[in-house]
Amino acid sequence: DQQVKQNSPSLSVQEGRISILNCDYTNSMFDYFLWYKKYPAEGPTFLISISSIKDKNEDGRFTVFLNKSAKHLSLHIVPSQPGDSAVYFCAASATGGGSNYKLTFGKGTLLTVNP
Amino acid sequence: GAVVSQHPSRVICKSGTSVKIECRSLDFQATTMFWYRQFPKQSLMLMATSNEGSKATYEQGVEKDKFLINHASLTLSTLTVTSAHPEDSSFYICSARVSGRVEQPQHFGDGTRLSIL
Repeated sequence: DQQVKQNSPSLSVQEGRISILNCDYTNSMFDYFLWYKKYPAEGPTFLISISSIKDKNEDGRFTVFLNKSAKHLSLHIVPSQPGDSAVYFCAASATGGGSNYKLTFGKGTLLTVNP
Repeated sequence: GAVVSQHPSRVICKSGTSVKIECRSLDFQATTMFWYRQFPKQSLMLMATSNEGSKATYEQGVEKDKFLINHASLTLSTLTVTSAHPEDSSFYICSARVSGRVEQPQHFGDGTRLSIL
């Protein structure tokens, strides 16, 4: 039973355009969400996060949107650059007492930005 | 930024061998470290949560006697795969979380590719 779902295994966009990566979750206890970026042969690198008390968080070219009622979040990258080509993982955590902040990951979406 | 070092990056060994993987937080203290396993085209699956000075908390279905975890200091956790068999071949990756604040991301090592012949 996958609690965090990334239904698009891959996405291809042109350089300069917007990349939108989607993520859905089923566990209503999740209240902290993160996006990680992973290059081959490297560990995931933290990109951006959002708490459930917010519906948007922005950091440079990266913006994460959270729709709690739909249990959906998305990562927008504008403008997309060839160096953004990587696998993007969505992760969720329930930060309530005793949770140890463990993360549940989606399967990832491979983003390819074409020059 | 926070750096996590994982060693070795790749191990190839014979069936029945025990393999130790180290995870170090280089520039911060981590009371909690996490060990994950990833199969091809699958998500990172949490195996266990490693707490400094106490026993690890294992996820359902993970054999604690098979995957021994030791978190002896605030900067080091080790995972030992005991008597490894070909089905244990996988990508193992650790992460560490900066202590203190509620919302702190986990920072990951670069992983260990374990291949059991």
